[in-house]
Amino acid sequence: AQSVAQPEDQVNVAEGNPLTVKCTYSVSGNPYLFWYVQYPNRGLQFLLKYITGDNLVKGSYGFEAEFNKSQTSFHLKKPSALVSDSALYFCAVRDRISSASKIIFGSGTRLSIRP
Amino acid sequence: EPEVTQTPSHQVTQMGQEVILRCVPISNHLYFYWYRQILGQKVEFLVSFYNNEISEKSEIFDDQFSVERPDGSNFTLKIRSTKLEDSAMYFCASMLGDYGYTFGSGTRLTVV
Repeated sequence: AQSVAQPEDQVNVAEGNPLTVKCTYSVSGNPYLFWYVQYPNRGLQFLLKYITGDNLVKGSYGFEAEFNKSQTSFHLKKPSALVSDSALYFCAVRDRISSASKIIFGSGTRLSIRP
Repeated sequence: EPEVTQTPSHQVTQMGQEVILRCVPISNHLYFYWYRQILGQKVEFLVSFYNNEISEKSEIFDDQFSVERPDGSNFTLKIRSTKLEDSAMYFCASMLGDYGYTFGSGTRLTVV
């Protein structure tokens, strides 16, 4: 069965500093990997995805993530954090077994950027 | 850019009542999903739907729940005899058949 772990409930970073939000996964075969962001009282907003190819994936708002197959990780990164990046971030995985297979979400990491 | 539309954005219902949450997926998409998020917590899979039938359902999706695509456009989630613990944000998603979902903005269900 597929699963996603986000080991940190909360990450606190000063504005202008680099940020990392950690994610590890377990899935049969090669995964599809995603990051979503949720602002207060809003829906799930897609940030980026890994499908195949280059292990470094660039997404919206200056975010990027690196797929590491040996460590089964897909950490989200940004070189310079903004206060407006403060939100709830979800890592998600989907297997390639079936075209209808579901996305499974991690428990979420609350990112707080202080001015 | 095409969107998944969910209505209503907020539904308040009395315990024991039935609710229907509505979703209009992207028109050429083939796979449809419902997810639930209890306030600020994990996003949980409920059910997937393809070719007019349920593909997969979670243990949460018991006999209290049902889904339907009645007219080839709308995709509905019915919750019978609602309980207080059904209060959550419900997200609909659709997918063409590649790897990416498009999520709707959600319906906040409050059971009182």
